[in-house]
Amino acid sequence: EAQVTQNPRYLITVTGKKLTVTCSQNMNHEYMSWYRQDPGLGLRQIYYSMNVEVTDKGDVPEGYKVSRKEKRNFPLILESPSPNQTSLYFCASSLEQGVNTGELFFGEGSRLTVL
Amino acid sequence: AQKITQTQPGMFVQEKEAVTLDCTYDTSDPSYGLFWYKQPSSGEMIFLIYQGSYDQQNATEGRYSLNFQKARKSANLVISASQLGDSAMYFCAMRGRNTDKLIFGTGTRLQVFP
Repeated sequence: EAQVTQNPRYLITVTGKKLTVTCSQNMNHEYMSWYRQDPGLGLRQIYYSMNVEVTDKGDVPEGYKVSRKEKRNFPLILESPSPNQTSLYFCASSLEQGVNTGELFFGEGSRLTVL
Repeated sequence: AQKITQTQPGMFVQEKEAVTLDCTYDTSDPSYGLFWYKQPSSGEMIFLIYQGSYDQQNATEGRYSLNFQKARKSANLVISASQLGDSAMYFCAMRGRNTDKLIFGTGTRLQVFP
């Protein structure tokens, strides 16, 4: 089954404790991206990657890191989480960037709470 | 800069009626794509429909259609014959030719009542 898998789905952590949210897709997609969703703000892009070893900042990259060592994986790293990073996080992928690619496939979301 | 605007925070519709969810956009890209996603209370993002800026006809997918008015920069989602299962948050999104971002609006929460 074609899917984007995120882990963990739910996490409560404390300020400053490093954490990683994993994302894996099995569709051989080149393009992967991370979004955060906050009430009243919609989804905002954190980082994206157009292919292996190619990553770039989205609109809200502060406090996050990513890596793309393999095509299928795109982990999101919070080196020192803070309460303002409490949010619902989505990983997404598509075959390639560009306007005619149709849908972006989303993971099920990871709800993170930073105390 | 690109921008998506959804001005309706919430909408109500009776079952079996049609409803239109508004979306306007702004972009300087000559070529772009417009998307609608549904987010039920369970949280996942479900792709509904896609419209390319050069598509001659409005996109349709079952009960969903996209009312694309390029001159007005609007891409409204029309849901015909609403069902209780249509109750969800709906997001309009856009990707331009010269950007790698898919940007989203703030969403419209649709409630379908019997």
